[in-house]
Amino acid sequence: AQKVTQAQTEISVVEKEDVTLDCVYETRDTTYYLFWYKQPPSGELVFLIRRNSFDEQNEISGRYSWNFQKSTSSFNFTITASQVVDSAVYFCALSETRAGANSKLTFGKGITLSVRP
Amino acid sequence: DAMVIQNPRYQVTQFGKPVTLSCSQTLNHNVMYWYQQKSSQAPKLLFHYYDKDFNNEADTPDNFQSRRPNTSFCFLDIRSPGLGDAAMYLCATSRARTGDGYTFGSGTRLTVV
Repeated sequence: AQKVTQAQTEISVVEKEDVTLDCVYETRDTTYYLFWYKQPPSGELVFLIRRNSFDEQNEISGRYSWNFQKSTSSFNFTITASQVVDSAVYFCALSETRAGANSKLTFGKGITLSVRP
Repeated sequence: DAMVIQNPRYQVTQFGKPVTLSCSQTLNHNVMYWYQQKSSQAPKLLFHYYDKDFNNEADTPDNFQSRRPNTSFCFLDIRSPGLGDAAMYLCATSRARTGDGYTFGSGTRLTVV
């Protein structure tokens, strides 16, 4: 069965600090997708990134970057020069693509990030 | 814009009184999901539809049911809400069997009094 582990539960940083959110996953499939979502206090899930299992290139989008390491089954997320607006709960999630079955998205427990002015 | 819409955004219901949450989509996706997210927890899948094919998660209580009358709409029915059912309920859609993309609605926050 698929599993996502976010060992950090709460992180607090001062504005402009860099912060890395860790994500480790387990799956028996060779084809899968990894996601990061942001959930602000309003509750909606904001999609940040999707990465498929065959693409290990790291990605940068503005202040956000992601490091996918298949060898260690990790998909870590770094926010550079954090801002107060980055305060939210961040979820890492895994979706397997199984022949003859529907995909399902499994979430980690989430990391609460607080950025202080 | 194509999207997933959940109504209402906030719902207050009485203990034991049936309540229905609704979700609609304009994406024409085959699969629709219902997730329950309790305070400070991860979203947990309750069930999903692939077209009209209903798939229940093994640990979803019988108190929760769902209907999908057509491609666009999906409803979550809670027959007898208890205090423990207070949560955010998230609807999502995806194309079938791809796993490569999910679109979430804004959620309905349910309060049971």
